[in-house]
Amino acid sequence: QQQVKQSPQSLIVQKGGISIINCAYENTAFDYFPWYQQFPGKGPALLIAIRPDVSEKKEGRFTISFNKSAKQFSLHIMDSQPGDSATYFCAASSSPSGGYQKVTFGTGTKLQVIP
Amino acid sequence: SAVISQKPSRDICQRGTSLTIQCQVDSQVTMMFWYRQQPGQSLTLIATANQGSEATYESGFVIDKFPISRPNLTFSTLTVSNMSPEDSSIYLCSVRQFDTEAFFGQGTRLTVV
Repeated sequence: QQQVKQSPQSLIVQKGGISIINCAYENTAFDYFPWYQQFPGKGPALLIAIRPDVSEKKEGRFTISFNKSAKQFSLHIMDSQPGDSATYFCAASSSPSGGYQKVTFGTGTKLQVIP
Repeated sequence: SAVISQKPSRDICQRGTSLTIQCQVDSQVTMMFWYRQQPGQSLTLIATANQGSEATYESGFVIDKFPISRPNLTFSTLTVSNMSPEDSSIYLCSVRQFDTEAFFGQGTRLTVV
């Protein structure tokens, strides 16, 4: 089944702390794993993405860790800031040659970073 | 990256009426997608719209309720027909070009009273 399970549903972190959001998938055909950030009243925006040929990808304060054997991936936000307060969605899709597969989204994590 | 403009950004509608949401992209894209996001929930794909062909609807969504037009490679509309309060939601337009990431519009917040 094409599901992506995300946890926790909500997260409160102190400013400067590390925020960690976890996702797990079932479909081994997934080969693209993006994370989206959504602020209230806005559409989701791509934050960072990874393909399963690497175990980690870092962009600034944001890091994706990927465990192919466990079918799990996570987002780490280092030095969390109040401006990071948003809802985060993990997602997954597969890319068959010559076609497109829809993106399957996780259930979302509402992050609040308190000063 | 693609810039997507959605209109209207929000609306309050009477039950039984219809609303058409417009999605304009600043570049030509092969595939456009319409999502629904209920308050505090994840994104649910309504349909995929390719230019020159019928939209493909996901399970639970039908053309009579959510007719879609895709007249060219930069524009699409989604109509929410015969609305009920259960249709109150955020409707999002998204585009993707095969291997590139998905880009979203800012959404249309619909309230049905």
